[in-house]
Amino acid sequence: AQKITQTQPGMFVQEKEAVTLDCTYDTSDPSYGLFWYKQPSSGEMIFLIYQGSYDQQNATEGRYSLNFQKARKSANLVISASQLGDSAMYFCAMRGYNTNAGKSTFGDGTTLTVKP
Amino acid sequence: KAGVTQTPRYLIKTRGQQVTLSCSPISGHRSVSWYQQTPGQGLQFLFEYFSETQRNKGNFPGRFSGRQFSNSRSEMNVSTLELGDSALYLCASSLEDAGGVSDGYTFGSGTRLTVV
Repeated sequence: AQKITQTQPGMFVQEKEAVTLDCTYDTSDPSYGLFWYKQPSSGEMIFLIYQGSYDQQNATEGRYSLNFQKARKSANLVISASQLGDSAMYFCAMRGYNTNAGKSTFGDGTTLTVKP
Repeated sequence: KAGVTQTPRYLIKTRGQQVTLSCSPISGHRSVSWYQQTPGQGLQFLFEYFSETQRNKGNFPGRFSGRQFSNSRSEMNVSTLELGDSALYLCASSLEDAGGVSDGYTFGSGTRLTVV
């Protein structure tokens, strides 16, 4: 079984500051992928970043980076230099390669509000 | 390139009726997944199709079914609608080969189903 836990229902950050959104996971799959998605108030889900379980380096995509700590089963999203447009709900998700192939499990999400 | 297209955008149905939702993935994407999003339950996995085969299924009753056509377009059907089926139904496509999970989903805008 797969489980994603996001313990922060809501977060506030000042514009231009960095923010970390927490995500821990549990899975029986020996290899898997971890993802972060953004859902603005418009409703459409946007893929942000991917981390493979065997990747040695943390993933980065522009202002987004994923702090992957495999032993702790955590995959935190770091947003640097926050912008007002970053205000949205953020979902952590995982997908297994083998037994859970094709199925993604999502966390409950964290609502991020960027203050001017 | 064209994104993931879901039709219709909005739907109002009466309890006991059935409904069919459609999803056209990004050209070349062979994997199509369906999710139900509600405020109380978050994002729940319904099923995933890869090359016309259902590869995985979530914990939903048999009233929820789906299929994928040879052109990768997918439909999901809900029979005998209940009030609790009111939700945003999201379709997502990805490029992955069988077993590969390195690319994130591209989501459609969703179908907002209201059961009255």
